[in-house]
Amino acid sequence: GDSVTQMEGPVTLSEEAFLTINCTYTATGYPSLFWYVQYPGEGLQLLLKATKADDKGSNKGFEATYRKETTSFHLEKGSVQVSDSAVYFCALRGAYGGSQGNLIFGKGTKLSVKP
Amino acid sequence: NAGVMQNPRHLVRRRGQEARLRCSPMKGHSHVYWYRQLPEEGLKFMVYLQKENIIDESGMPKERFSAEFPKEGPSILRIQQVVRGDSAAYFCASSDRGSNQPQHFGDGTRLSIL
Repeated sequence: GDSVTQMEGPVTLSEEAFLTINCTYTATGYPSLFWYVQYPGEGLQLLLKATKADDKGSNKGFEATYRKETTSFHLEKGSVQVSDSAVYFCALRGAYGGSQGNLIFGKGTKLSVKP
Repeated sequence: NAGVMQNPRHLVRRRGQEARLRCSPMKGHSHVYWYRQLPEEGLKFMVYLQKENIIDESGMPKERFSAEFPKEGPSILRIQQVVRGDSAAYFCASSDRGSNQPQHFGDGTRLSIL
């Protein structure tokens, strides 16, 4: 079945450092790919998405490119801030009707940014 | 401009009691998804509902768990005879028009079983 694997955390960075969180997936066809962010005690917020190969999703300085050839959707940010500290989830939604649109999540990567 | 509303935010139950979790989708949304998040884990899909219909319940445990989304009122996730292993955060998400639309999440209900 479809699955998502993302790098395990926690990841600790200094402010203004470069961030990469790796995400790879296994799926049939062309799934849609997402990054969600979860701040402590809150629900998930959609950070960015891409629906077809070579699409680049971007939001708030974060970017991720849908790479079909490597089945990857790595999250990057050039200069992190303390306020980016959160848990980041990579997710996919299957291309075919069997899953009826539910999301499949990775286990999450906790990011801590130190001043 | 309310988002997805879940209540209660925190729920404590003793083993054997029933837990009822409520979810009001975003205005205009008719598709609701329930997910469960165990400690240190990602979210796992449980059930997908539209008004008065269960579309996909492939992620629901076979016993003790049920969900509904009536014509009027919120969606309800019900857990009967709770056990310690049911302790988790339960998240509801809603979307507009169909399974291809982005899902918007509520802040979750954190269920603790004593």
